[in-house]
Amino acid sequence: DTEVTQTPKHLVMGMTNKKSLKCEQHMGHRAMYWYKQKAKKPPELMFVYSYEKLSINESVPSRFSPECPNSSLLNLHLHALQPEDSALYLCASRPILRSSYNEQFFGPGTRLTVL
Amino acid sequence: AQTVTQSQPEMSVQEAETVTLSCTYDTSESDYYLFWYKQPPSRQMILVIRQEAYKQQNATENRFSVNFQKAAKSFSLKISDSQLGDAAMYFCAYRKPHSGNTPLVFGKGTRLSVIA
Repeated sequence: DTEVTQTPKHLVMGMTNKKSLKCEQHMGHRAMYWYKQKAKKPPELMFVYSYEKLSINESVPSRFSPECPNSSLLNLHLHALQPEDSALYLCASRPILRSSYNEQFFGPGTRLTVL
Repeated sequence: AQTVTQSQPEMSVQEAETVTLSCTYDTSESDYYLFWYKQPPSRQMILVIRQEAYKQQNATENRFSVNFQKAAKSFSLKISDSQLGDAAMYFCAYRKPHSGNTPLVFGKGTRLSVIA
């Protein structure tokens, strides 16, 4: 199994809703990432988890709340989002090994629309 | 801080022809990794090719090859015999090696169109 899966593929939510995005990998990767990507732009890093602990938070608003319940699963909880939060949310993972170049694998993304 | 610059927002190429996408980067590190990622309209980001900075030999993967000029901090991607399926956004990316979970630094991307 060499893939990162993300659910749902598409999500439409109102500004008062609470929803969650899910990311899963079974490659034994201990680094997992959330990115936000606007159209025709590169991915912007949001959060990095290392060994299930949050190691990087790129000053993301608190309406985005990440969670890493185990080494295979990464969630992003959403609450009180704004229309400008509409974007493609990408999850990625890679191994943490000192001796290799460590390819980063991306999931297909969740297309989020906030009304 | 490291930066990655892709100076061509859009490029086009005739099917079966060759195209080169440019990338320059800025770093004070002597060892690092460079990557080209492809993101087709379906949005799945996939790795095209990678280069370790300590290797002088340019990486090649089938129709894809790089021209890595370390002194000039340049890392261009050459696509030979272009195919319709090569149409995508291409992102150049940089990362320090042996750095645990350090994330990629992306360029702004180049949108490649392939003309039949």
